[in-house]
Amino acid sequence: GAGVSQSPSNKVTEKGKDVELRCDPISGHTALYWYRQSLGQGLEFLIYFQGNSAPDKSGLPSDRFSAERTGGSVSTLTIQRTQQEDSAVYLCASSQQGANTGELFFGEGSRLTVL
Amino acid sequence: GESVGLHLPTLSVQEGDNSIINCAYSNSASDYFIWYKQESGKGPQFIIDIRSNMDKRQGQRVTVLLNKTVKHLSLQIAATQPGDSAVYFCAVSNYGQNFVFGPGTRLSVLP
Repeated sequence: GAGVSQSPSNKVTEKGKDVELRCDPISGHTALYWYRQSLGQGLEFLIYFQGNSAPDKSGLPSDRFSAERTGGSVSTLTIQRTQQEDSAVYLCASSQQGANTGELFFGEGSRLTVL
Repeated sequence: GESVGLHLPTLSVQEGDNSIINCAYSNSASDYFIWYKQESGKGPQFIIDIRSNMDKRQGQRVTVLLNKTVKHLSLQIAATQPGDSAVYFCAVSNYGQNFVFGPGTRLSVLP
């Protein structure tokens, strides 16, 4: 499809393990965002990539969280030494910066459960 | 920075009535505003947007109102239908950069 694709859709891991979440944005979109959504809560900004500029990492909650975006396309969010409070849905969104709308297109999310 | 809040976490309306969902923001420099709808188990979906040079924008059954003086944003849904049941988020940004989302309002449509 032509939408934002995220994998895995569900991930269950043990406390202390590392996890990687992947996001494939819409082709041609230069901006990519990661948000975290805890159960019944709003969207918490994590990190924002725009083209070749340095990413805005101001939302990452701790140094256990990191993200990369290779070749201006696919992004990977890595959480090291996972904790139970990391359990949430991790949402990725992309947008075509420079377009009139700037609308964010979201993926379905990756649900992370840390036992 | 920007903080975004909503007046009501839940809203129940009768089918066919109009719904109004509110949002307040803090940064007067914010210039772009979007309403999103999120159904259970899905990612948020775009409903309507508005820029700071406008006060009102209409879509199909939806209207967004922006009051920059009091930094308030609202979403009006006309003739609310069961399919409108979802969580609604406002998102606020400055020059389309980082979007800050409000906590969401859960809309329930009663038969």
